[in-house]
Amino acid sequence: DTEVTQTPKHLVMGMTNKKSLKCEQHMGHRAMYWYKQKAKKPPELMFVYSYEKLSINESVPSRFSPECPNSSLLNLHLHALQPEDSALYLCASSQAYGDYEQYFGPGTRLTVT
Amino acid sequence: QKEVEQNSGPLSVPEGAIASLNCTYSDRGSQSFFWYRQYSGKSPELIMSIYSNGDKEDGRFTAQLNKASQYVSLLIRDSQPSDSATYLCAGGDTGTASKLTFGTGTRLQVTL
Repeated sequence: DTEVTQTPKHLVMGMTNKKSLKCEQHMGHRAMYWYKQKAKKPPELMFVYSYEKLSINESVPSRFSPECPNSSLLNLHLHALQPEDSALYLCASSQAYGDYEQYFGPGTRLTVT
Repeated sequence: QKEVEQNSGPLSVPEGAIASLNCTYSDRGSQSFFWYRQYSGKSPELIMSIYSNGDKEDGRFTAQLNKASQYVSLLIRDSQPSDSATYLCAGGDTGTASKLTFGTGTRLQVTL
């Protein structure tokens, strides 16, 4: 059983749509992450939350808007995306901010048409 | 620019053999290293963490760290077809807490 869950598994959206990706972790971790992974490339860090506060934004375009309602939940709100934003979006968690040992969820495969 | 370098492969080994995966890193201050296994179309799965020089064993997996040489390796004993995947090496970025620097991954193929 995966302890980091993500919904939906797959998402197809048009460039004018607004959608959200959801992540939940069941490990009692205090840091949560969003990554983007393109085919045959390693994951790229987008955002890091620590105790529900945004700690790192890796210069991500504003069409991606993260939200952390509590220490177990992480959302990524999507608006006006481009086809090049199509990728696997991964959520991860670690015990605390500064802890590099991260556990990934199964990901959401996003296609922007 | 902090880097983790891996041979992209594919590395092909016969079933039952030892697979040896290697990576080098440029961030001399990094203290934490990780191996992730990623099956095609799936997410990365953490299989080994190593923080100290030397070897760390977990079942069929052994991670090795040599900080003086800035070298990390993963040995998989008695390789199985189910081990066929891409293996990502990652190191902790000392300049940014919680940020991992990933290598581009080595694709392993275990043949029957």
